[in-house]
Amino acid sequence: GIQVEQSPPDLILQEGANSTLRCNFSDSVNNLQWFHQNPWGQLINLFYIPSGTKQNGRLSATTVATERYSLLYISSSQTTDSGVYFCAVVGTGNQFYFGTGTSLTVIP
Amino acid sequence: ETGVTQTPRHLVMGMTNKKSLKCEQHLGHNAMYWYKQSAKKPLELMFVYSLEERVENNSVPSRFSPECPNSSHLFLHLHTLQPEDSALYLCASSFSMNTEAFFGQGTRLTVV
Repeated sequence: GIQVEQSPPDLILQEGANSTLRCNFSDSVNNLQWFHQNPWGQLINLFYIPSGTKQNGRLSATTVATERYSLLYISSSQTTDSGVYFCAVVGTGNQFYFGTGTSLTVIP
Repeated sequence: ETGVTQTPRHLVMGMTNKKSLKCEQHLGHNAMYWYKQSAKKPLELMFVYSLEERVENNSVPSRFSPECPNSSHLFLHLHTLQPEDSALYLCASSFSMNTEAFFGQGTRLTVV
């Protein structure tokens, strides 16, 4: 299967700070998604981004498929951004492979 | 609200019980998935259904039995579970396999 590594594993930010989360993957992918898991367990779609750059409010993501990585940028972080951020990829098979996540805590 | 609904949200069951988890989507998707999320582990794919046919079964023990009666509903039947099966069970759907997936809220299962 495809190996997915996320960094950093844990991150603590002061409210208002910016951050970059990274996802490295070991093989070519046809699909890449970023999710935010809230404290109640639900996975919220952030971006569907197999390649290129997308922005949604304070969040943006960039995937460089040829170099097998994706970045998630969070600007002007808020306490509601706290939670775990997952990157998931799909190669040529049927399966999404998830990273182990980045646990983000934003303190007021 | 993602359009994928799971019930129940929480479930506590004994090792001899039989229970079922339900997942429902009305997004017009044709693929549905069950994932298991244990503490400190990546999400693990359990089953994939595409157009009501099971296309993936990741060596899941037979005490977990999926059922997909139509493209909008997916069940996970549980029987004779072990305490190590306690986890968050997540359902997802996508228009076709490997396209953008949407997840339900999850069922937090505790086996006692």
